Amino acid sequence: KQEVTQIPAALSVPEGENLVLNCSFTDSAIYNLQWFRQDPGKGLTSLLLIQSSQREQTSGRLNASLDKSSGRSTLYIAASQPGDSATYLCAVKTNAGKSTFGDGTTLTVKP
Amino acid sequence: DTGVSQNPRHKITKRGQNVTFRCDPISEHNRLYWYRQTLGQGPEFLTYFQNEAQLEKSRLLSDRFSAERPKGSFSTLEIQRTEQGDSAMYLCASSLGGQIPEMTQYFGPGTRLLVL
Repeated sequence: KQEVTQIPAALSVPEGENLVLNCSFTDSAIYNLQWFRQDPGKGLTSLLLIQSSQREQTSGRLNASLDKSSGRSTLYIAASQPGDSATYLCAVKTNAGKSTFGDGTTLTVKP
Repeated sequence: DTGVSQNPRHKITKRGQNVTFRCDPISEHNRLYWYRQTLGQGPEFLTYFQNEAQLEKSRLLSDRFSAERPKGSFSTLEIQRTEQGDSAMYLCASSLGGQIPEMTQYFGPGTRLLVL
């Protein structure tokens, strides 16, 4: 059974700081790993998708890495802004249908 | 707006009543997923469809829950004889799939259910 853990559960940083969010998973036989952002009471917005054959993906100030052998992914956010405040979720797809989510890291960026 | 849409956005019902939610995926997407999310937790997988076929169901999907996607387009999720423990956000997502690599899942805004 795939289990996904995200550490820390909450993080508060001053504006402008670079930060790293962590995601670990127990079963390395994955199809892909996806990072999402969720604002309070809202649905999920896809940030980055890393296929199992890839090591990293970049979009703007975001960079996600994947190390299947160690069961880890990181989401790096450069030059954080107050608008980045949200909950960040990682999801691991281990078969054609099901994705297993972590419980998220709630990020607060203080002006 | 051509994203995933869900209706209603909010539903309040009394215990024992039946409720039905609708999801309209992105038009060209052949895969549709249902998840449930409670406060402070990540979404939990319920079921998914490829076109009109329901290919996987979670053990979370008790016999009170049923999902359909009759024409391979929109989907409905029905909960019969609701219980207070069913209170949650119900999320729908869609993607292109059936080939490698599978594409990004796009989520709708969710339906928030409160069972009194």
